[in-house]
Amino acid sequence: EAGVTQFPSHSVIEKGQTVTLRCDPISGHDNLYWYRRVMGKEIKFLLHFVKESKQDESGMPNNRFLAERTGGTYSTLKVQPAELEDSGVYFCASSQDSTGFRDYGYTFGSGTRLTVV
Amino acid sequence: AQSVTQLGSHVSVSEGALVLLRCNYSSSVPPYLFWYVQYPNQGLQLLLKYTTGATLVKGINGFEAEFKKSETSFHLTKPSAHMSDAAEYFCAVSDLNAGKSTFGDGTTLTVKP
Repeated sequence: EAGVTQFPSHSVIEKGQTVTLRCDPISGHDNLYWYRRVMGKEIKFLLHFVKESKQDESGMPNNRFLAERTGGTYSTLKVQPAELEDSGVYFCASSQDSTGFRDYGYTFGSGTRLTVV
Repeated sequence: AQSVTQLGSHVSVSEGALVLLRCNYSSSVPPYLFWYVQYPNQGLQLLLKYTTGATLVKGINGFEAEFKKSETSFHLTKPSAHMSDAAEYFCAVSDLNAGKSTFGDGTTLTVKP
């Protein structure tokens, strides 16, 4: 079974530019989550998709961040325009359903390290 | 609201020594508790979890953790550290609805030969 795939693994962009991160969850996992870790601090929740619907987007920092999940499959997270404080590691995670989450927790991708200069 | 506190951002032990990584949580509802491990350039991997039932839970690689409700703690232990245990460890709490999780700041474990 393929794991959760994220790309790019690294991205360096200038302040004001746009970046799009992509996440491919495990096939059949309805739940997809985005998290972010800034400057070695805690991993913070951004949002949660159930299939193609946003279940909870309470962690999205501001309207410069836009997340989509096409057809309930892969997801993209766009930052436009990027600011210095957006630098960090963006993790994607997926779980099959509530029972799967209870039994197996999240399956995480390796993350995208975003550096805004 | 939920929160997690991991005591000690860096822990160093000698190979063969006891590993103890501390985690305290707060939750207004019965929690799901998780420990994840992250090796360099990899994603987080589930070590073990507590949802219901037995409060002493065993995970992969010889790790275990005990859920103590009265102390709101879920400390991670391993009797004998191995060099391959060097990694960053995260404690997380989630509610029963399998929504978002709240993570601690992480603890980096160093194992000295």
